[in-house]
Formats: sequence, structure tokens, C-alpha cells
Amino acid sequence: DIQMTQSPSSLSASVGDRVTITCRASQSISIYLNWYQQIPEKAPKLLIYAASSLQSGVPSRFSGSGSGTDFTLTISSLQPEDLATYYCQQSYSPPFTFGQGTRLEIK
Amino acid sequence: QVQLQESGPGLVKPSETLSLTCTVSGDSISSYYWSWIRQPPGKGLEWIGYIYNSRSTNSNPSLKSRVTLSVDTSKNQFSLKLSSVTAADTAVYYCARDVGAAIGIFDIWGQGTMVTVSS
Repeated sequence: DIQMTQSPSSLSASVGDRVTITCRASQSISIYLNWYQQIPEKAPKLLIYAASSLQSGVPSRFSGSGSGTDFTLTISSLQPEDLATYYCQQSYSPPFTFGQGTRLEIK
Repeated sequence: QVQLQESGPGLVKPSETLSLTCTVSGDSISSYYWSWIRQPPGKGLEWIGYIYNSRSTNSNPSLKSRVTLSVDTSKNQFSLKLSSVTAADTAVYYCARDVGAAIGIFDIWGQGTMVTVSS
């Protein structure tokens, strides 16, 4: 199985801050990397697919980059509604695996 | 607007079989891959498996021998059976749709259903 490791596990930031979350795969996965946002008590929501493609309806302050083994999710200007846990996930090969999650808190 | 809704018992006894159904509305079940994903309380996400038109299935090797996936196109539903459950199978179970352009990108999710394994 491909292991996905996110960092940090949690972070606290202020409204308006630029926030970066990283994800590393245990082997090269090209650009087969997706990001999800999970608001407490809700189902995950697809934000970014294929490393850098913004899912329809997702605000443009979210962006993704990377290829191979190292990837980044960036929120350019943090908003209060971004309070959530963020997961990366590889779709390079089954079993599709997720990172352990990054809990984002608003200061 | 495509919507997914999970249904099934919220409580299952150890060693028995967990059975869940996902009802798809707003689209044909024949057109996409469909997955099950679970999340134990306070923990991360685990992909269980996918099914496509009853012809193609794949499941997580960690669960493979216990997982059965099926599709009922007449009802626009797909189902999960997980046998010989233990407390470790307690989780919120989600059904999700693959985006279609590639397998393994989940663009639409059900709200999730909590299943507790306990006697």
C-alpha cells in the first residue's frame, strides 16, 4: 500500500493568514493526489484533484501543487469557514489511501 | 443534482454481517464507479472498495476476504456487506461517487451512517 503522510497534524492560524499543508507519498504517484475538506460532523468534500485542479464550486483561495512524492495544499487567505480537517488521498493505485489528516483551527 | 443516501442497521453484533445500502438519486448508477469509505470515531478515512456495473470490483486487501459489493441497477442502489465484524469495524460508513474521469477521486459523498459493533 502507498502510505500518505501529512504535516502538520494540526495548526492554528488567523483569519487572512496564508496556510500551507504538506503531504508526502511513500512512492511516486505522479499527480494522482487529491485533497478533501471535512467540516466537523460532515462528510468530506473534494477540494482539489489531480494535484492542482480546483473542483467546481470551490473558492479560488484554495490551491494545490506538487508531483511525484511531495504535494502542498495552500489556502491563500484563511476564512472562518475554513475550520476543518484536511486530508490528502492518492488515486494512483488501489487501495486508495488517505493521509492522517491536518486539523486546522482558527485563532 | 446527484445525491447519495446510506441506509442500514446502526447496531451490529460481533461476528455478524454488516449490511449497508446506498441509494443514488439524480443520476444513473450504471455510469460511474461507486465506493465505500469508512471513518472510525475520531480517526481518519479508510477506503473499503469500489464497484462498477457489477462487472468490476476491487476492495482493500486489509478487508478483502470479508467484503462483498453489489449493485442493483433496477433500484439505482449499491450495497456493502462486511462479514465477521468486530469492534474495530465501528465507524461512520460513507458511500461516494468516483468523479468519472479517473478512478479513485470521490466528488460526491453521502452524509454517512454510524455503525456500532457491540453485543
